[in-house]
Formats: sequence, structure tokens, C-alpha cells
Amino acid sequence: EQQVQQSPASLVLQEAENAELQCSFSIFTNQVQWFYQRPGGRLVSLLYNPSGTKQSGRLTSTTVIKERRSSLHISSSQITDSGTYLCAMDDDTNAYKVIFGKGTHLHVLP
Amino acid sequence: EAAVTQSPRNKVAVTGGKVTLSCNQTNNHNNMYWYRQDTGHGLRLIHYSYGAGSTEKGDIPDGYKASRPSQENFSLILELATPSQTSVYFCASGVPGGGNAEQFFGPGTRLTVL
Repeated sequence: EQQVQQSPASLVLQEAENAELQCSFSIFTNQVQWFYQRPGGRLVSLLYNPSGTKQSGRLTSTTVIKERRSSLHISSSQITDSGTYLCAMDDDTNAYKVIFGKGTHLHVLP
Repeated sequence: EAAVTQSPRNKVAVTGGKVTLSCNQTNNHNNMYWYRQDTGHGLRLIHYSYGAGSTEKGDIPDGYKASRPSQENFSLILELATPSQTSVYFCASGVPGGGNAEQFFGPGTRLTVL
């Protein structure tokens, strides 16, 4: 069964600290997507990063295909960054499907 | 900006009743998806569609039906609702198949079955 593992499950930071979120995959994948979800809210696409390093504002994602992992770095965290971060990969057996991890719950404190 | 809307946003149903959740997208995406999200299980795929008139079973289709009457609309139908179907349901649209994992989500529908 294809799986996406995320770590840590939860993370508490002080405002302005940096966060490092990890995602590992049970198979090799060339489609990795990071999402953000506010409590009770919709999933919002953050970064699509199949390989290498991609940056968007304070977010940097690094995907290493041969090691089957991806990371999301959040620099200078803000209280509004609190929420759940999910990563997803394509389903190797079905081009229409995506497999999600269970997420990292981030709490940024003032 | 891609737009996916869902209705209703909240729904309380009785056991054995019929529930229809609706989703509309203005992205002109071929693919649409229905997920449910539960604590401890994450997002699970119920049904998906790759175009008007098509519906396909996802990972947990039992107890659910889907309908895709047009490119824009995708409905999830619970013919006989049960308390185990209490959950938050998300609709999403995505770019055509071929491995692209980018999806756009609706705001969710919170369903409670009493």
C-alpha cells in the first residue's frame, strides 16, 4: 500500500522561529504537493515541487526523489501560520488519484 | 483564481435519510473529487470523475454514490445516511491526469447524521 508519512505530527513554535516539516513516501514519486489547512477550513495549495528546491515567500520546499522525501521550511514563523500542513504525492497505480499524509499540526505562539 | 464551491456548508440529517452534497467548479477542470476528512484518518477519497458523465470509485465508496451531470457540477449522494458518515466532506477539482497532483479544494461541508 502506498503511504505518505509526515513528521512531526505536531509542532509548537514561538513567533519568529523557523519550522521544518518532513514528508516521506513509500514509493518513488515525481509529483509532490504541499497544502495548508486552517482549522475548519479548506486545503490551500502552497507549493508544487516534484524535485529540487522551490521557494514561495517564506516557504521553501526541498524534494529529494532518490531518498523519497520532501521537506517544507517555514522561515520567521507568524501566528497566522498556525494550522495543518499536508503533503501529497501522486498514486503510482492511478494517474487521477493523489495520496495525502495525515499532516503536521503547527501552533505558533506569540 | 480557481474556484470550487460547495453546498450546503453544514447539514444535519437523520439516520436513513437521503443526503445530497453539491459541488461546483469554475476552473474548467476535467477531474473532480470527493473526500472525507476525519481525525486520525486524514483525507480519504470517496469518488472521483474525469469528465462529465463519468464517476469512479475511490478508496471508500461504500454507502456513497456520485453524479457528474456537467463539467462544472459533481454531487455526492448518501441514499441511506448512517451516523458513521458524520464527517467533513471536501470537493476538489484538478488538472487532467498524467500525474499532476495539484488540486483545488472547496470550503467543505460539515455533515452530522443523528
